[in-house]
Amino acid sequence: DIQLTQSPSFLSASVGDRVTITCRANQGISTYLAWYQQKPGKAPKVLIYTASILENGAPSRFSGSGSGTEFTLTISSLQPEDFATYYCQQVHAYPITFGQGTRLEVK
Amino acid sequence: EVQLVESGGGSVQPGGSLRLSCAAFGLSLTDEHMDWVRRVPGKGLEWIGRSRNKISSYTTEDAPSLKGRFTISRDESKNSVYLQMNSLKIEDTAVYYCARVSLEAGGQRNDYWGQGTLVTVSS
Repeated sequence: DIQLTQSPSFLSASVGDRVTITCRANQGISTYLAWYQQKPGKAPKVLIYTASILENGAPSRFSGSGSGTEFTLTISSLQPEDFATYYCQQVHAYPITFGQGTRLEVK
Repeated sequence: EVQLVESGGGSVQPGGSLRLSCAAFGLSLTDEHMDWVRRVPGKGLEWIGRSRNKISSYTTEDAPSLKGRFTISRDESKNSVYLQMNSLKIEDTAVYYCARVSLEAGGQRNDYWGQGTLVTVSS
């Protein structure tokens, strides 16, 4: 199985901050990576796919980059509604796997 | 508007079985690949498996970690996909989601999700 490791696992930040979350794969996955946001009691929402393409309807303050084994999700200016848990997902090979999640909290 | 509606969750004893349903509205599931994903309390998201669309003969992929205990099936007439869960363990306690697989714009991701249904395995 392809393992995805996110860092950090927990992140405290303030509204207006620029935030970056990293996702590392234990083998190359080209750009077959997506990013999701999940809030308590809600289903995940896709933000980014193919490593850097913004999903329709996702705010433009979210951006993704990377290829191979290292990827980043950046939020350019945190908004109150962005405090949530973020997951990366690889779709390069079965079984599809997720990172362990990054919980973004208010500082 | 696309809606995926899960049902069938509940409490079950270890070793028991449960079948979850996912009904689609505003979407014909014959054209879609569908995933099941769960969120385990205190942990993260876990992919359970995939049912490909009709053109792909509804073939499936499963997470090897589940060791064949879970099976995905479909009913065209009900525009629904199902997750049959057997030999349930305490660690299968989770919120279970069905999700559409989008292949649009050359990328792959889960863009439509159900609301989730809670399965609790406890003695």
